[in-house]
Amino acid sequence: NAGVTQTPKFRILKIGQSMTLQCAQDMNHNYMYWYRQDPGMGLKLIYYSVGAGITDKGEVPNGYNVSRSTTEDFPLRLELAAPSQTSVYFCASTYTPTGGGNIQYFGAGTRLSVL
Amino acid sequence: TQLLEQSPQFLSIQEGENLTVYCNSSSVFSSLQWYRQEPGEGPVLLVTVVTGGEVKKLKRLTFQFGDARKDSSLHITAAQPGDTGLYLCATRSMNRDDKIIFGKGTRLHILP
Repeated sequence: NAGVTQTPKFRILKIGQSMTLQCAQDMNHNYMYWYRQDPGMGLKLIYYSVGAGITDKGEVPNGYNVSRSTTEDFPLRLELAAPSQTSVYFCASTYTPTGGGNIQYFGAGTRLSVL
Repeated sequence: TQLLEQSPQFLSIQEGENLTVYCNSSSVFSSLQWYRQEPGEGPVLLVTVVTGGEVKKLKRLTFQFGDARKDSSLHITAAQPGDTGLYLCATRSMNRDDKIIFGKGTRLHILP
């Protein structure tokens, strides 16, 4: 099992450029999440999905879009990159075991700089 | 809106010392997860606590869930440089919107 795979690991964008951050999981989890983490800070939820074809906004969705056409993939799209989007982006999928709790498996992150 | 308050925000101690960090909420948790994030990596789950009063041990780490399920603590005995990282607590939103809520974390630095 690869778990949660994010690509690319690093990217530098110019202001106004667009890009797609890829996220794939092979654990057949229905729930997937995108977070951003600014330097020295915690995680902020951008978008999440409870299953293929269903997405919803998190805490900081402006400037981003997502799609979920399959259970495995949950790409995050930046249409017009801005310096405020410089951050580390983490994708996660969630498993709820029978005994309770919500276990999130995180990718290694994409480090994005917008200059 | 349910919030998770973590304290302290930062902690820097000498190797071998003991420490406790906290995660509190004004609402009752359905369950609580503790994660550790090392520099340059994504968070990794340490433990899940589900039952009020529950205590779980993971080597030198002891996790406690409050009786009322509104607070949790993480105690590290004889801290080592390898314990350095960001410790995050998380729970599922009580708003039935499937969000996972994270605290802002405690950034721990163990000095050799």
